[in-house]
Amino acid sequence: EAQVTQNPRYLITVTGKKLTVTCSQNMNHEYMSWYRQDPGLGLRQIYYSMNVEVTDKGDVPEGYKVSRKEKRNFPLILESPSPNQTSLYFCASSIAGGPVDTQYFGPGTRLTVL
Amino acid sequence: GQNIDQPTEMTATEGAIVQINCTYQTSGFNGLFWYQQHAGEAPTFLSYNVLDGLEEKGRFSSFLSRSKGYSYLLLKELQMKDSASYLCAVLDSNYQLIWGAGTKLIIKP
Repeated sequence: EAQVTQNPRYLITVTGKKLTVTCSQNMNHEYMSWYRQDPGLGLRQIYYSMNVEVTDKGDVPEGYKVSRKEKRNFPLILESPSPNQTSLYFCASSIAGGPVDTQYFGPGTRLTVL
Repeated sequence: GQNIDQPTEMTATEGAIVQINCTYQTSGFNGLFWYQQHAGEAPTFLSYNVLDGLEEKGRFSSFLSRSKGYSYLLLKELQMKDSASYLCAVLDSNYQLIWGAGTKLIIKP
């Protein structure tokens, strides 16, 4: 089944404790992206990747890191999480045209930073 | 700045028709998307408009007027399962997606 998977789905952590949220897609998509979604705000892009070893900042990259060493995986790293990073995070992928193409979203990761 | 406006919440009755509006002010335009998002779930693609006019897809239709910076999503024969948030997103001149905050649609029996 074609899908985008994220792990973990739910995470409660404490300030400053490094964490990684994994994202994997099995559709051979070139474009991958991370978003955060907060109440009353639209989806905000954190980072995106047009292809392997190519990553770029989105609208809200501060406090986050990403890597794209393989086509299928695009992990999101929070080196020192803070409470303002409490949010719902979505990973998304699309074929090749980036945001021009339909994006397929993962199920989301709900992160709470205490 | 760039801005997408949608109503925060709308209520409609099962079997009826509802129109969800989206207005945008962006630096350039390369298309407009509508996504559906059920509570606690991922957004899923509904439609993409890049030219003016109406695109129909089953019970859902999407309209675009580039000169007015305006789009709407029309849902016909509403079903309870249509209760969800509907997200409008515009692709700007730099091919960056600008997202609206979404419209929560509540369907009543």
